[in-house]
Amino acid sequence: DQQVKQNSPSLSVQEGRISILNCDYTNSMFDYFLWYKKYPAEGPTFLISISSIKDKNEDGRFTVFLNKSAKHLSLHIVPSQPGDSAVYFCAASPNLYGGATNKLIFGTGTLLAVQP
Amino acid sequence: KAGVTQTPRYLIKTRGQQVTLSCSPISGHRSVSWYQQTPGQGLQFLFEYFSETQRNKGNFPGRFSGRQFSNSRSEMNVSTLELGDSALYLCASSFTGAGNQPQHFGDGTRLSIL
Repeated sequence: DQQVKQNSPSLSVQEGRISILNCDYTNSMFDYFLWYKKYPAEGPTFLISISSIKDKNEDGRFTVFLNKSAKHLSLHIVPSQPGDSAVYFCAASPNLYGGATNKLIFGTGTLLAVQP
Repeated sequence: KAGVTQTPRYLIKTRGQQVTLSCSPISGHRSVSWYQQTPGQGLQFLFEYFSETQRNKGNFPGRFSGRQFSNSRSEMNVSTLELGDSALYLCASSFTGAGNQPQHFGDGTRLSIL
């Protein structure tokens, strides 16, 4: 049961344009969402996060949008740069009744290629 | 500021052996979580420790275990290794266990089972 889904395995974008990566989730108990970037042979690097009480969070070139009714979030990168080429994972953390948790459920990742 | 440190980076074992992986979190971080990454299953949660207590466990067999020490360093152990245990094992740390702060990952231990 894939609770966090990234339906696009890959995305190719021209340098300077906008990259939009999408993520859907099924569990309404998720209340904290994160995006990570991963290069081969390295661990995931945290990019940006959003709490379920917000619908948008911005950090420099990165903006995350959350649509709770659609159970959908997206990451916008503007402008895209060749150094952004990597695999991007979205992740969600559930709100467990009776206790907090740092458990993350990851999507399968989207390979972003930014062409010079 | 030093990041999350995992040792060793690479490890080769044979079936039936056991292995211990180590993780040193970012200084001041009290929460440590472990994940397994494989091509077929992606990134999967193994377990989470906070203040030396296991708070959550993923859907893995009992051969996978872990612990956390008083200095927040953590180890995970896999006994009776199987070929399917070949994977990248990632450790992540977070300042609190509140579930609303980002986790920061180490570069992982690449475990290969022959």
